[in-house]
Amino acid sequence: EAGVTQFPSHSVIEKGQTVTLRCDPISGHDNLYWYRRVMGKEIKFLLHFVKESKQDESGMPNNRFLAERTGGTYSTLKVQPAELEDSGVYFCASSQGSQGTRSPLHFGNGTRLTVT
Amino acid sequence: AQSVTQLGSHVSVSEGALVLLRCNYSSSVPPYLFWYVQYPNQGLQLLLKYTSAATLVKGINGFEAEFKKSETSFHLTKPSAHMSDAAEYFCAVSDQYGNKLVFGAGTILRVKS
Repeated sequence: EAGVTQFPSHSVIEKGQTVTLRCDPISGHDNLYWYRRVMGKEIKFLLHFVKESKQDESGMPNNRFLAERTGGTYSTLKVQPAELEDSGVYFCASSQGSQGTRSPLHFGNGTRLTVT
Repeated sequence: AQSVTQLGSHVSVSEGALVLLRCNYSSSVPPYLFWYVQYPNQGLQLLLKYTSAATLVKGINGFEAEFKKSETSFHLTKPSAHMSDAAEYFCAVSDQYGNKLVFGAGTILRVKS
């Protein structure tokens, strides 16, 4: 089966620009998560979708970040306008079932975002 | 609130030596604990998880971890390091109802020949 796919793998943008990250989860996985790792720090939770609904968005830093999951399939994470502190690696993960973290998370390779 | 502390941001061992990566957690409810590994230019991969069954958990690639409630620890071990074990390792915690993981800062394992 295909794994979790993220693109682009790298993105370099200037402060104030907009960037959209995309995640294609494993087919059939209802749960989709976004995490972020700022350089040298912990991987932090951003939000969790169950199908097309936001289950938990408590980790979203501010209203410059907008996540969507159209039709419960792929998800996008838009940053508008980007700031320097948004630089980091953005990971997407998916899992099946309704057992939360008891179900293994499958992670994508991440998108490395650099804001200059 | 839950948290994870990984002792040592970098660990270096010789090939064939014991690998010990330390993880301590804080949780107000019975935790679920995980170890993930990230190889260069790849995503995180689950090594093993503790979900309140056996306290000694065996994972992939010869790794295992022991849950010690009295010490609030979940250290990761492997008897004999292999060059292919060089990667970054993350300890994580969640509660049994949670839908998100709280990660430690990661430990980079270097294996010397």
